[in-house]
Amino acid sequence: AQSVTQPDIHITVSEGASLELRCNYSYGATPYLFWYVQSPGQGLQLLLKYFSGDTLVQGIKGFEAEFKRSQSSFNLRKPSVHWSDAAEYFCAAPIRGNTGKLIFGQGTTLQVKP
Amino acid sequence: NAGVTQTPKFRILKIGQSMTLQCTQDMNHNYMYWYRQDPGMGLKLIYYSVGAGITDKGEVPNGYNVSRSTTEDFPLRLELAAPSQTSVYFCASSYGGAEGYTFGSGTRLTVV
Repeated sequence: AQSVTQPDIHITVSEGASLELRCNYSYGATPYLFWYVQSPGQGLQLLLKYFSGDTLVQGIKGFEAEFKRSQSSFNLRKPSVHWSDAAEYFCAAPIRGNTGKLIFGQGTTLQVKP
Repeated sequence: NAGVTQTPKFRILKIGQSMTLQCTQDMNHNYMYWYRQDPGMGLKLIYYSVGAGITDKGEVPNGYNVSRSTTEDFPLRLELAAPSQTSVYFCASSYGGAEGYTFGSGTRLTVV
C-alpha cells in the first residue's frame, strides 16, 4: 500500500539553528511530492512541491527540500529557523489514479526555542 | 480572491443531530476534497470530487455524504452525528495532479 512516513513526531530546535524534517514515501514510480505547513488553528499552506527535474526545490519562507529517489525521501530543510516557523509540517504524495488525491504523513510538530 | 471558504468555523453537535459543512471555492477548480484531521493521525480523505456531478469515497467515508451540483460548492453532510466524528474538517481544491491543494481554514466539530 502507498504510504508517507514522517519519522519524527516532534522536533525542537533553537532559533537560528538549522532544521531538517524527514519524509519517506512509497509509490513505485517517481511521484510528485509536497510539503505543507499548518500554523496553530489554521489551514494548511503549500510550502513547496517537487514535480520533475531539479531534485532540490525551493519554497516559500526560505525552505527547501531535496528529492532522493534512491532513498525514497523528500526531506525539508531550512538553514536558520525563526520563531515564526513553529508549526506542524506535513509531507504528501499522490495516490495512484488520475484523481489528484493525496496521502499525507502523520505530521511533524516543530517547536522553536528562543 | 477568497480561495476556499469553509463555514462554520466551530460547531458543537449533540449525538444524533445532523449538519452540513459548507465549502466553496472561487478558483474554478474541478477537483475538491474533504479531509478530517485527528491529533497524531495526519489527514484522512473522506470524499472527493473530480467535477460537478461526480463524487467518490475516500479512506473514511462512513457517516458522511457529499454532493457536487456546481463547480464551486462541495458540502459535506453528517446525518447522525457520533462522538467519533469529533475532528477538524478541511476542504481543499485543486486543478488536479501536480498542482497541489488550496485548503480552507477548517471547521472544528465537537460531538457530545
